[in-house]
Amino acid sequence: SSDLTQPPSVSVSPGQTATITCSGLKLRNKFPYWYQQKAGQSPVLVIYEEDKRPSGVPERFSASTSGNTATLTIRGTQPMDEADYYCQVWDSYSVVFGGGTELTVL
Amino acid sequence: EVQLAESGGGLVQPGGSLRLSCVATGFNFNNYWLHWVRQAPGRGLVWLSQIHGDATTKNYADSVRGRFTISRDNSLKTVYLQMTSLTPEDTALYFCARNTSESAGAFDVWGRGTLVTVSS
Repeated sequence: SSDLTQPPSVSVSPGQTATITCSGLKLRNKFPYWYQQKAGQSPVLVIYEEDKRPSGVPERFSASTSGNTATLTIRGTQPMDEADYYCQVWDSYSVVFGGGTELTVL
Repeated sequence: EVQLAESGGGLVQPGGSLRLSCVATGFNFNNYWLHWVRQAPGRGLVWLSQIHGDATTKNYADSVRGRFTISRDNSLKTVYLQMTSLTPEDTALYFCARNTSESAGAFDVWGRGTLVTVSS
């Protein structure tokens, strides 16, 4: 099990808002990074430095953090957003990933 | 194009060893920390190790410290992961990834992974 807790699965209808949480004491005073991993592919960074999106990541992706919980929000979710999502923080000189959330768009 | 490409995976017997490689193209390899991350079948991402651009600093996850060794050859733009005393629990897809800092920063480039299967 991971020190960062994510819900195993989230379902959303196309066009609706999906929220994926990441919680744990290791989040304290930190902003996690978020990665998207589609089936059979490598992870892709979608959020960094609190709420910044790399080039090419749609504006519908955003993030926030409050206390020991971080949230990835996808507004107007598209079928192409169906994937596993992972949060990640640094813990001193090592890296911790959340357990991952499978987002289903149906 | 900025890319990382892993190789060296395969089938290995329990107790065996394997060395993975990851070749970088399209960026100044020396300026980046390189990492290994693995993903067991149907499971999540697990960070294993990182190495500084000049190879002077290396860090490991507790789960692999003493069994896995990370190294790099900047002339070949390649990072390695030497794995020993392998068990079936090491069966996973092994990714390399880069970032710019020892204790901060995102993994902005990932390879496609190389599959390691530990089985008799």
